Amino acid sequence: AQSVTQLGSHVSVSEGALVLLRCNYSSSVPPYLFWYVQYPNQGLQLLLKYTSAATLVKGINGFEAEFKKSETSFHLTKPSAHMSDAAEYFCAVSGPGSARQLTFGSGTQLTVLP
Amino acid sequence: DAGVTQSPTHLIKTRGQQVTLRCSPKSGHDTVSWYQQALGQGPQFIFQYYEEEERQRGNFPDRFSGHQFPNYSSELNVNALLLGDSALYLCASSSPGQPEETQYFGPGTRLLVL
Repeated sequence: AQSVTQLGSHVSVSEGALVLLRCNYSSSVPPYLFWYVQYPNQGLQLLLKYTSAATLVKGINGFEAEFKKSETSFHLTKPSAHMSDAAEYFCAVSGPGSARQLTFGSGTQLTVLP
Repeated sequence: DAGVTQSPTHLIKTRGQQVTLRCSPKSGHDTVSWYQQALGQGPQFIFQYYEEEERQRGNFPDRFSGHQFPNYSSELNVNALLLGDSALYLCASSSPGQPEETQYFGPGTRLLVL
């Protein structure tokens, strides 16, 4: 069975500071991994994805994530936080088999302080 | 290029009633997945439809059923509504043309059961 653990349900950073959101996964097969962002009262927007090509993946809005197989991690980072980054972030792993269902973590709420 | 659309945006029902939610996939996508997101949690996979058939199902009771039409749009039906069915219901579309079948989400339908 696949699972995702997001450490820290709430993270606060100052505007301009480094953003680091943690994600660890468990998978019996080589995983596909995703980060999605959810703004209040909206659906999920894809930030970036790992599909077994480059281990350092760049996404939208200046975010990037590094796949580390030895640590089973896929942490999300951004060098300098902006007020508009305040949102909930979800890490997800794609299931095996034909359906590729997504298994999500419980989410991390990012607050950006002025 | 139209993204994933869902209707209605909000819905209020009472216990025991039945509800139908609708989803139109992103242009060029033929696979639709449904997720339930309870307040403060990550989305949970309900089921996926491909070629008008249910391809995979998550851990949800038979009260949850679906349908996919020849134009790839989909419906989610929930019978005998319970208070615990109150949630944001998300539809995602994908294409089997990619090995990871990246899923793109709609804005969701917020269901409140009283």
